[in-house]
Amino acid sequence: TQLLEQSPQFLSIQEGENLTVYCNSSSVFSSLQWYRQEPGEGPVLLVTVVTGGEVKKLKRLTFQFGDARKDSSLHITAAQPGDTGLYLCALRLFTGNQFYFGTGTSLTVIP
Amino acid sequence: DTGVSQNPRHKITKRGQNVTFRCDPISEHNRLYWYRQTLGQGPEFLTYFQNEAQLEKSRLLSDRFSAERPKGSFSTLEIQRTEQGDSAMYLCASSLGSGGGAHNEQFFGPGTRLTVL
Repeated sequence: TQLLEQSPQFLSIQEGENLTVYCNSSSVFSSLQWYRQEPGEGPVLLVTVVTGGEVKKLKRLTFQFGDARKDSSLHITAAQPGDTGLYLCALRLFTGNQFYFGTGTSLTVIP
Repeated sequence: DTGVSQNPRHKITKRGQNVTFRCDPISEHNRLYWYRQTLGQGPEFLTYFQNEAQLEKSRLLSDRFSAERPKGSFSTLEIQRTEQGDSAMYLCASSLGSGGGAHNEQFFGPGTRLTVL
């Protein structure tokens, strides 16, 4: 059973379009991180959310943490080719120090 | 560069050989994690150190895998008698942990790509 589900798995859009990717868990978690990973590289941390209902913005990226602390979303406005990559969410439960990653959303932004 | 570094970046080996990877975390970080990532998947947790103590190990970490962090700084991951199924990207991450409750942001290295022929 997958602890963390991400959707969609693949997304291909035109430059300038908006998109939202989702991260859902069957468990309540203490914090969640969003990463972007490029081929052949390690994931790069984008944001950490810790409070239910929290919204964080990073330029054209908006991150939301669900009130029930079981889901999160990432919204990108006016996507650019440089946004292309694998977007991963990772959660940490209230017990232990292990992080659980989703399978990721592979985003391609076409110029 | 004060980020997490990993060596080598790429390793090609024949089945049955032993390999060792090294991770140098961010200097003030006391927590160090190893993950394995295969194509099309997110990273899977392997093991975690706080200082020199190995505190958690995944069931994925078979007896052919061993990790050490002898002085609480750099860490090594050794795979003995490699199998083709071990081919993957091995990622290391570090964080500045505190006594429970911290959100514990992880910073990843570039990974070591292992290919077992």
